[in-house]
Amino acid sequence: QTVVTQEPSFSVSPGGTVTLTCGLSSGSVSTGYYPSWYQQTPGQAPRTLIYNTNTRSSGVPDRFSGSILGNKAALTITGAQADDECDYYCVLYVGSGIRVFGGGTKVTVI
Amino acid sequence: QVQLQESGPGLVKPSETLSLICTVSGGSISPYYWSWIRQPPGKGLEWIGYIYYSGSTNYSPSLKSRVTMSVDTSKNQFSLKVNSVTAADTAVYYCARWYCIGNTCYHMDVWGKGTTVTVSS
Repeated sequence: QTVVTQEPSFSVSPGGTVTLTCGLSSGSVSTGYYPSWYQQTPGQAPRTLIYNTNTRSSGVPDRFSGSILGNKAALTITGAQADDECDYYCVLYVGSGIRVFGGGTKVTVI
Repeated sequence: QVQLQESGPGLVKPSETLSLICTVSGGSISPYYWSWIRQPPGKGLEWIGYIYYSGSTNYSPSLKSRVTMSVDTSKNQFSLKVNSVTAADTAVYYCARWYCIGNTCYHMDVWGKGTTVTVSS
């Protein structure tokens, strides 16, 4: 079965930049995996930040950006703010209609 | 504005069937794709599968043998059944709508608030 990998945790200073990645246990992520990124605060449903690799969802600040870096999808937060402290999940389309979530990255702003 | 609401029993006994319904309000169930996602306590999100408004489905390989999704367009609802549940099925269950253009679906743009299901005797 396909495993989607994410860093378990990341720390960033207020105003700093952090890049989260989303990879595959076997192989490289490309735009054909239609990577999307979701933000989840405790007790809330996730909301989309980025879809189709680098398209920001409606209302998402431009400090969030998506890309392909090397063999992984990436989410970059530029100018981190205190309320960016939460969990981030990527989702990849792995073929045959199947989607897989990454394990999630907990971001701490300190 | 489209809203989703999950409903169903909050407690299910081991080996029994978990049944949930997602009601779509403020919009039509067609012509969209709809998914179920779950999140065990303190853990990450897991994609369970999707159903098209026409009734076609696709399930996660890890759950495929125990999961059934169905749609009732007359009620603007779709449902999830997971049979032979164990404690590992204890989770918050979310329903969500897919944003698609043509045959390509990009992300889940509308989510329900989630409902907690506990598997315990």
